[in-house]
Amino acid sequence: DIQMTQSPSSLSASVGDRVTITCRTSERISSYLNWYQQKPGKAPKLLIYAASSLQSGVPSRFSGSGSGTDFTLTISSLQPEDFATYYCQQSYSILWTFGQGTKMEIK
Amino acid sequence: QVQLQESGPGLVKPSETLSLTCAVSGYSISSGYYWGWIRQPPGKGLEWIGTIFHSGSTFYNPSLKSRVTISVDTSKNQFSLNLSSVTAADTAVYYCVREFRGAGVPWFDPWGQGTLVTVSS
Repeated sequence: DIQMTQSPSSLSASVGDRVTITCRTSERISSYLNWYQQKPGKAPKLLIYAASSLQSGVPSRFSGSGSGTDFTLTISSLQPEDFATYYCQQSYSILWTFGQGTKMEIK
Repeated sequence: QVQLQESGPGLVKPSETLSLTCAVSGYSISSGYYWGWIRQPPGKGLEWIGTIFHSGSTFYNPSLKSRVTISVDTSKNQFSLNLSSVTAADTAVYYCVREFRGAGVPWFDPWGQGTLVTVSS
């Protein structure tokens, strides 16, 4: 199985902050990495696919980068609606796996 | 716009079989795509359960493979999940998803709203 490690596990930030979440994989996965946002009581929502492609309708303050084993999700200027849990997911090898999540909270 | 909706019992007894259905609207399953199930135990992370192609080919998480069956009913435009011999560890919110594949890269979009299944006597 490809193991996924997200950091940090939790993050306190303020509206307007620039934040970065990191996802590291146990094997090289090229750009087969996706990012999701989940709000309490809701289903996850796709933000970024193929490491850096922004899903239609997702604000441009979200961006993704990386290739191989190291990936990042960046939010350029946090908005109140961005406080949520974020998950990375590899789609290189089926057994698809997710990171453990990064919970973003208001400082 | 593709929409997915899970349905099924919210309470299942230990050792019995969990059965859920995902109704698809806005797209005909027989036209293509992969479809799958993901679960999330309360307060925990996401676990992929399995995927089915519209033709019926399946891929399962090895940790659940002996207990899982995913099937598709193109006449009803829905697909289903059966998980046998359930225990309390199978208590989770179960999501159905479309597994979209663009330029060879798969991702999950859209998701159903999710349904909580509790395993308890």
